[in-house]
Amino acid sequence: QVLLEASGSELKKPGASVKVSCKASGYTFTSYAINWVRQAPGQGFEWMGWINTETGKATYAQGFTGRFALSLDTSVSTANLEITNVKTEDTATYHCARLVCTSSSCYMDVWGKGTTVTVSS
Amino acid sequence: SYELTQPPSVSVSPGQTARITCSGDALPKRYAFWYQQKSGQAPVLVMYEDNKRPSGIPERFSGSSSRTVATLTISEAQVEDEADYFCYSTDSSGDHWVFGGGTKLTVL
Repeated sequence: QVLLEASGSELKKPGASVKVSCKASGYTFTSYAINWVRQAPGQGFEWMGWINTETGKATYAQGFTGRFALSLDTSVSTANLEITNVKTEDTATYHCARLVCTSSSCYMDVWGKGTTVTVSS
Repeated sequence: SYELTQPPSVSVSPGQTARITCSGDALPKRYAFWYQQKSGQAPVLVMYEDNKRPSGIPERFSGSSSRTVATLTISEAQVEDEADYFCYSTDSSGDHWVFGGGTKLTVL
């Protein structure tokens, strides 16, 4: 069974850093890229970017450059999202999702439950 | 920037057919994908490439796409289908993935 397990909730003060992790199981980690998606309270999803789990190369969506960094620890099949200098508007649930590609398209087939990050002074 | 537009809410009685639409200018050229999210749970893929149903998704779920509108149809909707539904696709370049704003389906 393919699973993506999110790390626990985080409470941070503005200006701090936070690292969210996503541990994969049930498949070969390096065979599928990992996407990250943000869901602010009461809002829809925003695609943040993705990381190639073979090469470690990360691609960021507009609006998620600078303070956001994607990384891997392939030894434990884990993808990470680090946010530096967090702001109150970063309060959201952060989901990881596996990217699967067919001959026709690529899409996110399995999602983690998400990690809730709350930024408050 | 590219946008996908969904109705905020759809309401049906159990046993009726629910139709949730997703509008986007690039949909004639790009596939639509649909996710179901129940409160506090991970999103679940219920339709991919417009009309393909993943294994484990009930046959009452179907999808279609015509011109700039993709539609997720739930035939004989059940109370357990009550959830938020999001469409997802890319812009015409294929480089930017975008989500619709989501539709809250109420079945009661």
